[in-house]
Amino acid sequence: DADVTQTPRNRITKTGKRIMLECSQTKGHDRMYWYRQDPGLGLRLIYYSFDVKDINKGEISDGYSVSRQAQAKFSLSLESAIPNQTALYFCATRDSLGNTEAFFGQGTRLTVV
Amino acid sequence: EDQVTQSPEALRLQEGESSSLNCSYTVSGLRGLFWYRQDPGKGPEFLFTLYSAGEEKEKERLKATLTKKESFLHITAPKPEDSATYLCAAQGSGGGADGLTFGKGTHLIIQP
Repeated sequence: DADVTQTPRNRITKTGKRIMLECSQTKGHDRMYWYRQDPGLGLRLIYYSFDVKDINKGEISDGYSVSRQAQAKFSLSLESAIPNQTALYFCATRDSLGNTEAFFGQGTRLTVV
Repeated sequence: EDQVTQSPEALRLQEGESSSLNCSYTVSGLRGLFWYRQDPGKGPEFLFTLYSAGEEKEKERLKATLTKKESFLHITAPKPEDSATYLCAAQGSGGGADGLTFGKGTHLIIQP
């Protein structure tokens, strides 16, 4: 089983719909992240969490919200999806040292029509 | 503002033709330089971490090096299975999100 699991892997949704992307990890890491990847723009940070009671906005948080349900679970919500949120979304984890490598999930390909 | 620039954007090589990928970074107080490999439609897979200038790490046909301004990923005698996008990320000491800034990647194609 993968250390960082994202569900769903693919999703097509309509403009205006609410959608949730889920992430769970078995690494035992405290820090979890949501990134968005677009062609030509690289990985951009949406939200991050250092522990269950900690939520922080990243570079591009507008239109998104998150919930850290447990140490191992971090979900990303699009309250009212719009077409320019079509992208590849990645969840990642890091240990609490803060300067070690991040481990990524396999990604969720989201299409908003 | 922290910045990471990777070059070239794309590189096509023949099998066995060695080359290097460049990652130039501008961060305040480098805490780590990371290289990842990403296959189409998949998540980035960790390759190396470099922490200080002069440091080198190797894995199979890949070798990563670090100076005070840039990092190189050297690929020796590549094989078609080395085809992927290679991402570089730098972590500075400023910023609350661990300060991890990604480059846009180099898309590498190795032709048989």
